[in-house]
Parts: sequence; structure tokens; C-alpha cells
Amino acid sequence: QVQLVESGGGLVKPGGSLRLSCAASGFNFGDFYVSWVRQAPGKGLEWLAYISGGGTTIYYADSAKGRFTISRDNAQMSLYLEMNFLRADDSAIYYCARSTTSYYYYAMDVWGQGTTVTVSS
Amino acid sequence: SSDLTQDPAVSVALGQTVRITCQGDSLRSYYASWFQQKPGQAPLLVIYGKNARPSGIPDRFSGSTSGNTASLTITGVQAEDEAAYLCNSRDSSGNLVVFGGGTKLTVL
Repeated sequence: QVQLVESGGGLVKPGGSLRLSCAASGFNFGDFYVSWVRQAPGKGLEWLAYISGGGTTIYYADSAKGRFTISRDNAQMSLYLEMNFLRADDSAIYYCARSTTSYYYYAMDVWGQGTTVTVSS
Repeated sequence: SSDLTQDPAVSVALGQTVRITCQGDSLRSYYASWFQQKPGQAPLLVIYGKNARPSGIPDRFSGSTSGNTASLTITGVQAEDEAAYLCNSRDSSGNLVVFGGGTKLTVL
């Protein structure tokens, strides 16, 4: 079935780095935009970045720009998020999400279960 | 802060109709999408585009837009609809994505 599975979360010290992965299955991964979205404890959703199916279009939220890098490997059906210079306020559940999109909307129709990132000394 | 504004909490009696709103300038140009999120679960897309429902979403969920306000209407609320509801849309540039802060729906 259509599925996204995140991995790579964990405990990291402030200033450290982490690479999250998202493995896709059950659909033609390369046909879809995909996003990273995070949710801090007790808070709402925060979009971080998206990447087009071919990887040529990438956009970041201001909170991610300069520290986070989104990438994908369509042959491996995988999405990645490289995170550097991590801060305590980056602690959150990180979701990857498949996007259904047009000029008029950007929706996420398939979500992974999330991977938890904790930034603490 | 979010570019989309939602009421933090709304309550509704079982079987009644509730409208959850999402306000923002970008909604004058772009449609909102709506997500349902229950505690400990990933979000679930319930409405996108003008008023489209993904497969498996009951038809008691509907969406609409007027001016800078998008609305999610649940007609005949069920107990299992108790959840947080979050909206998103493209931002005013069209390139970025923004979420509202979410509305916690309580079913009485």
C-alpha cells in the first residue's frame, strides 16, 4: 500500500547535525512533490521544505533556510532532510508527506508516522 | 506565528453542524487544505482544492472559501470527529506553504 516511513531521528546536542530519511513505497515516488513538516510538542504543524518530483524545484521555510537541506533519490524512492546547527527549538516530530498540488493549492495526502528529534545537552 | 489564523478551540453537540474557519490574505488567491489530527497520530487530509475529499473521507466534511476566509464544515458531527483541525495553503507568493495554528474540536 501507499506508505511513507521516516527514520533517523534521535537525541542530538545543540549545534549538532542529523540526517532524516523517508522511504516511500506503493506509488511512483518520482511523480510527486514531497515535503518535510514538523510539529513541536503541543504545537501545530510547521512546513519546512518541499522538493519537486524531479528535484529541480526546492523551497524552504525561513526557519529551515540555511540550516536544512532537502534532497531525494528517486531510484531509492527516498527523501532526505539534512539538518545542521540544531537548536533546542528544533525539537519536534518530523513528518515527510507526499503532496498533491496545483497552482491553487498545496495539500499533503500521504503522511509518514513521523520521527522524533530531540535537541538537548 | 502563522500566516493563517484559526480559533484555538470550538465545541459542538453530537449530530449538529460545525464550521471551523481559517483566515489569511493568501486565501484570496489560493485554496486551503484541511487536515484532521488526533492525539499521537499523523495528520489526515480531509479537504483540498475547491472542495475535494480524498478517498475514504466521509461526505459530512466539506470546504468553502469567501474572501480571505476558508471554512471546513462538518455536518452531523460524530464522536470520532473530535480532533484538531489544521488548515494550510500556499503563501501569498505562491511558492511557500503555511499552516494555521489549528482548532481543537470538542464534541459534546
